[in-house]
Amino acid sequence: AQKITQTQPGMFVQEKEAVTLDCTYDTSDQSYGLFWYKQPSSGEMIFLIYQGSYDEQNATEGRYSLNFQKARKSANLVISASQLGDSAMYFCAMRGGDAGGTSYGKLTFGQGTILTVHP
Amino acid sequence: DGGITQSPKYLFRKEGQNVTLSCEQNLNHDAMYWYRQDPGQGLRLIYYSQIVNDFQKGDIAEGYSVSREKKESFPLTVTSAQKNPTAFYLCASSIPQAGNTEAFFGQGTRLTVV
Repeated sequence: AQKITQTQPGMFVQEKEAVTLDCTYDTSDQSYGLFWYKQPSSGEMIFLIYQGSYDEQNATEGRYSLNFQKARKSANLVISASQLGDSAMYFCAMRGGDAGGTSYGKLTFGQGTILTVHP
Repeated sequence: DGGITQSPKYLFRKEGQNVTLSCEQNLNHDAMYWYRQDPGQGLRLIYYSQIVNDFQKGDIAEGYSVSREKKESFPLTVTSAQKNPTAFYLCASSIPQAGNTEAFFGQGTRLTVV
């Protein structure tokens, strides 16, 4: 079984500052992938960043970076230089797989963190 | 443009009625998924399908049914057996064996029981 825990129901950040959204996970799968999605008030799910369990480098995509600490089973999202448009719900998700890296397909989601960016 | 289309965007259902939510994708993805989202909550998996003519129950399948007769389509029926169907429903698709690829989502259907 897989479990994703996001312990911050809400976070506030000042515009142009950095913010870290926490995510811890639990799995018995041999390999897995970790994803972060952004959900604005419109409801659409926007993919932000991916980290594989065997990746040695932390993933980065523009202003987004993933602080992956495998031993601690954490995959925190760091947003640098926050913008007003970053205000949204953020979800951490996991997809498990076998030892060969073949994915089991389905994503398991955390409860989400609502981020509010203040001007 | 490739993507996932869910319809309708808003749906109202009377108690005791079955309703079907549409999900169509032109991404040529083998895998498709249905998730339910309640206000302020995360996404919970209802059903998923890794290939045509095959599907599996997710974590909250009771009161729902699906079919996968075509690769492009994965409709979800909310039956009268679902006690609390008011929620936001999201359909997604992905390449099932590629663990490093993201799932693509539709715009969602907001179902309200009246």
